[in-house]
Amino acid sequence: NAGVTQTPKFRILKIGQSMTLQCAQDMNHNYMYWYRQDPGMGLKLIYYSVGAGITDKGEVPNGYNVSRSTTEDFPLRLELAAPSQTSVYFCASSKDRATEAFFGQGTRLTVV
Amino acid sequence: RKEVEQDPGPFNVPEGATVAFNCTYSNSASQSFFWYRQDCRKEPKLLMSVYSSGNEDGRFTAQLNRASQYISLLIRDSKLSDSATYLCVGQYGNKLVFGAGTILRVKS
Repeated sequence: NAGVTQTPKFRILKIGQSMTLQCAQDMNHNYMYWYRQDPGMGLKLIYYSVGAGITDKGEVPNGYNVSRSTTEDFPLRLELAAPSQTSVYFCASSKDRATEAFFGQGTRLTVV
Repeated sequence: RKEVEQDPGPFNVPEGATVAFNCTYSNSASQSFFWYRQDCRKEPKLLMSVYSSGNEDGRFTAQLNRASQYISLLIRDSKLSDSATYLCVGQYGNKLVFGAGTILRVKS
């Protein structure tokens, strides 16, 4: 079972560049989440979605955008990358809001 | 006040010890709580859900105290392989909010 798949696993961006972090799940989960984790810190919620066509901001949405055109996919877009966006990005999904969330393996992003 | 707060540790314990972590939450409306485990540079994985009646899974016991708004995780007979960061998670509306994590180091 694939579960939650994130691509790429690693990426180096230059300041001002843009990129899309891909996330796909094959469990037919309604809820999907994007978190970032800075070194030695906890996970901070960037955006989340409760179903196709519905997205909402989390704790730290500035500098990011998301879309949810299908149940399976929840890409995260970084516009005008900044060094402050250097982090590990985790995508997760859950059946509904009160159930276990499954995580992808993460994308390690460095902005230089 | 943060929605979910944990003591960051680290907790350094010998093999075989019993160790307990607490986590406090600020929103009494939260319905669901979880403990996740995160190994270094890896994704978080569910350790156990936390129920009002408490639950046990082998050496791990989780408790929820709604009156005092905290949850706890007890690990008995600690193993070297238990060394990790333990994340407390609360459900707030449609969001899952993570604590910053508690570091456990089990030493031989």
